[in-house]
Amino acid sequence: SQQGEEDPQALSIQEGENATMNCSYKTSINNLQWYRQNSGRGLVHLILIRSNEREKHSGRLRVTLDTSKKSSSLLITASRAADTASYFCATDNNNDMRFGAGTRLTVKP
Amino acid sequence: DAGITQSPRHKVTETGTPVTLRCHQTENHRYMYWYRQDPGHGLRLIHYSYGVKDTDKGEVSDGYSVSRSKTEDFLLTLESATSSQTSVYFCAISGGQGLGTVSTDTQYFGPGTRLTVL
Repeated sequence: SQQGEEDPQALSIQEGENATMNCSYKTSINNLQWYRQNSGRGLVHLILIRSNEREKHSGRLRVTLDTSKKSSSLLITASRAADTASYFCATDNNNDMRFGAGTRLTVKP
Repeated sequence: DAGITQSPRHKVTETGTPVTLRCHQTENHRYMYWYRQDPGHGLRLIHYSYGVKDTDKGEVSDGYSVSRSKTEDFLLTLESATSSQTSVYFCAISGGQGLGTVSTDTQYFGPGTRLTVL
């Protein structure tokens, strides 16, 4: 069964706009990770946030974690057409890694 | 792709035949994983390994076995393939930032193997 569930399932925006994706989960976690997958390719790790952290930044990415609400968000600022991909959150609880079904992001030029 | 290769990249086989997928890493990472990806399910963990000859089951292990005789290779075997095992299979590795069976480090994924069971 899935642990993380992304919302929305699909998101379409214009280049330059910000994209926000949310992830909710059900049980306690050690960390939460966000991955990107381009069509037909493997997953690429974007960012890892540990359960004792609340916010992390990496370039145009900003991830927040609220363990009290069991939720996380991924913000991509100033989106580009190259950001078009599926984005997955994954929760890790003692090697029990659970992925959500993903958010499909389309960035229109 | 962090020094991870998978072979074959594509395979078509018939129901009832055995199939072995190979994951090879050049990173000397301790932990290795096999996932399957199906529409609407995201990725689901099949088996993982926390060292040579040390493996454990994941969420969807039924019908699959694994072996790890060397640090660099992790094999996934379908003893008797079924149509429900048609999927894309991904291997992942992670470094040793953990204790015992547990890794708390980032996972790096291979390019995937598309398996079709007719």
